[in-house]
Amino acid sequence: GQNIDQPTEMTATEGAIVQINCTYQTSGFNGLFWYQQHAGEAPTFLSYNVLDGLEEKGRFSSFLSRSKGYSYLLLKELQMKDSASYLCAVTSNTGKLIFGQGTTLQVKP
Amino acid sequence: DADVTQTPRNRITKTGKRIMLECSQTKGHDRMYWYRQDPGLGLRLIYYSFDVKDINKGEISDGYSVSRQAQAKFSLSLESAIPNQTALYFCATSDFGSGEPYNEQFFGPGTRLTVL
Repeated sequence: GQNIDQPTEMTATEGAIVQINCTYQTSGFNGLFWYQQHAGEAPTFLSYNVLDGLEEKGRFSSFLSRSKGYSYLLLKELQMKDSASYLCAVTSNTGKLIFGQGTTLQVKP
Repeated sequence: DADVTQTPRNRITKTGKRIMLECSQTKGHDRMYWYRQDPGLGLRLIYYSFDVKDINKGEISDGYSVSRQAQAKFSLSLESAIPNQTALYFCATSDFGSGEPYNEQFFGPGTRLTVL
C-alpha cells in the first residue's frame, strides 16, 4: 500500500526557520512534491524532488532521501504570508499523486 | 484567464438532489483528476482520466460518477447527494511526458459543496 505521514500542525515565529517533515511508503516511486495551500484556495506547486539531496528555491528548500522514504520542506525567514497548509505528495508509475493530510503552519509575529 | 476553471464555485443543495460539477482547462493537458478535501484528511482522489476514452476510479469513487466530454472538459456528478459529501472539490490537470517534474498537477480554484 501507500502511506504518507506529516505533522498536522506547526507554529513558528516570523523571521525564524521551520522544517516540515514527511515520511512515505510507496511502490514505484517517481518523485515527491510539496504544495502550498492557503485556506479555501487551490494548492500551488512549491518544489519537486526525484533524486536524493537538497533543492533550493529562494526561501524554500526541499530535501529527499529515497532510501529512508523521507523528505522535508525548509522555510527560511518566515513571513506572515507563509501561514498556510503544506502538502507532501508522492507520484508513482501509476501516474497518480498520493497526498499526505497536510501540515497547517501558523506564523506568529 | 485561469488555465483550469471550475463551475460552480459554491453550491448548496439538498439530500437526494443530482449535482454536476464542471471542470474546463486550456492547458492542453491529457490527464484530468477530481479530488475532494475534508478538514484533516488532505486531498483524496475520486476519479481520474488519462485521455478522453480513459476513466479510472480513485480511492473514494462510491457515490460519484464522471464524464470526460472532451480533452478540455471533465465533469463530476453526484447522482443523489448526501450530507457526508459536503466538502471542497478540486479538479486538476497534468501533462504526460513533458519531462520533470513528472506529473506536476495544476489545480482549479475549487467548488465548495454543501449538502443539507
